[in-house]
Amino acid sequence: DAGVIQSPRHEVTEMGQEVTLRCKPISGHNSLFWYRQTMMRGLELLIYFNNNVPIDDSGMPEDRFSAKMPNASFSTLKIQPSEPRDSAVYFCASSDNRRGRYNEQFFGPGTRLTVL
Amino acid sequence: TQLLEQSPQFLSIQEGENLTVYCNSSSVFSSLQWYRQEPGEGPVLLVTVVTGGEVKKLKRLTFQFGDARKDSSLHITAAQTGDTGLYLCAGDTRKLIWGLGTSLAVNP
Repeated sequence: DAGVIQSPRHEVTEMGQEVTLRCKPISGHNSLFWYRQTMMRGLELLIYFNNNVPIDDSGMPEDRFSAKMPNASFSTLKIQPSEPRDSAVYFCASSDNRRGRYNEQFFGPGTRLTVL
Repeated sequence: TQLLEQSPQFLSIQEGENLTVYCNSSSVFSSLQWYRQEPGEGPVLLVTVVTGGEVKKLKRLTFQFGDARKDSSLHITAAQTGDTGLYLCAGDTRKLIWGLGTSLAVNP
């Protein structure tokens, strides 16, 4: 089975540009999570969706960040405009929370974002 | 704010040694998960512990959940270079609360 797919794997952009990160969750999973990982702050949850509906976006840093999940097999995280402090590795994860599963999450390989 | 503290933050050992890393919180969790992350990859789930006092073994790795379900430990016996990575714990309180991880280096 294919795991969580993320694209691009690496993104280098200049400050002020728009960045779009993409994620395809594992087929059949009903929850999707966007994380940001840095050395200083570790793994931070940005937003999560359940059945394509955003449930908790309290981790989204500011209005420059937005996320969408138009269907069960695709999600995007957009940063506009990007800033150097947004440089990090962004992970997408999915899980199946039905039938009493313990919120076990499956991660994609991540997108390493560098904003110059 | 709920926090999960992991210790030690960094650990460098020789192949064949034993080690234990810890995950502590003041919060009670319905379950706790351990993940391992290798450079350039996403975290991979190793185990989920659910019951207070539960012990689970995965080959040379032994995971224990505290009786009060607030803390957990991971013990590795006879570490191998392939065990190198970042070990993350995550507590389940409707959403996962993550520790910062223990970075383990096993040297040949």
